[in-house]
Amino acid sequence: EAQVTQNPRYLITVTGKKLTVTCSQNMNHEYMSWYRQDPGLGLRQIYYSMNVEVTDKGDVPEGYKVSRKEKRNFPLILESPSPNQTSLYFCASSLGTTTNSPLHFGNGTRLTVT
Amino acid sequence: AQKVTQAQTEISVVEKEDVTLDCVYETRDTTYYLFWYKQPPSGELVFLIRRNSFDEQNEISGRYSWNFQKSTSSFNFTITASQVVDSAVYFCALNENTGGFKTIFGAGTRLFVKA
Repeated sequence: EAQVTQNPRYLITVTGKKLTVTCSQNMNHEYMSWYRQDPGLGLRQIYYSMNVEVTDKGDVPEGYKVSRKEKRNFPLILESPSPNQTSLYFCASSLGTTTNSPLHFGNGTRLTVT
Repeated sequence: AQKVTQAQTEISVVEKEDVTLDCVYETRDTTYYLFWYKQPPSGELVFLIRRNSFDEQNEISGRYSWNFQKSTSSFNFTITASQVVDSAVYFCALNENTGGFKTIFGAGTRLFVKA
């Protein structure tokens, strides 16, 4: 089944403890991206990747890191999480790197930082 | 700057009513794409429709229809004869050809359909 898989679905952590949210897609998509969803703000793009070893900042990259060593994986790293990073996170992928490609989303990761 | 505005935060209707979700966008590009995504209570995000900036034809898919008007920079979504299963948050989004690939989402409209 074609899908984007994120893990974990739920994560509670403490301030400053490094964490990684994994994202994997099995559709051979070139483009992958991370978003955070906050009430009243919709989805905001954190980072995106047009291809392996090519990543770029979205609108809210501060406090996050990403890497794209393989086409299928695009982990999101929080080196020192803070409470303002408590949010619902979505990974997404799309077939092409042109702007007409719809996004396929993972099921989301709800992160709480205390 | 590019922006997507969904002015309706929440809408509540009774089953079988028609409902329109508004979306207004701002962009400097002449080539762009507009999307609608649905987020049901289970939380996943599902692609509904894509429309490019050169195609102003309205589209109908079952009970769903979309009205794209470049003159008013709007891409509104109408559900005819709403059903309880239509209850969800709906996001309008804009893809720009900025040299990268940026998708700008609106804040979303939460639709409640009551039986």
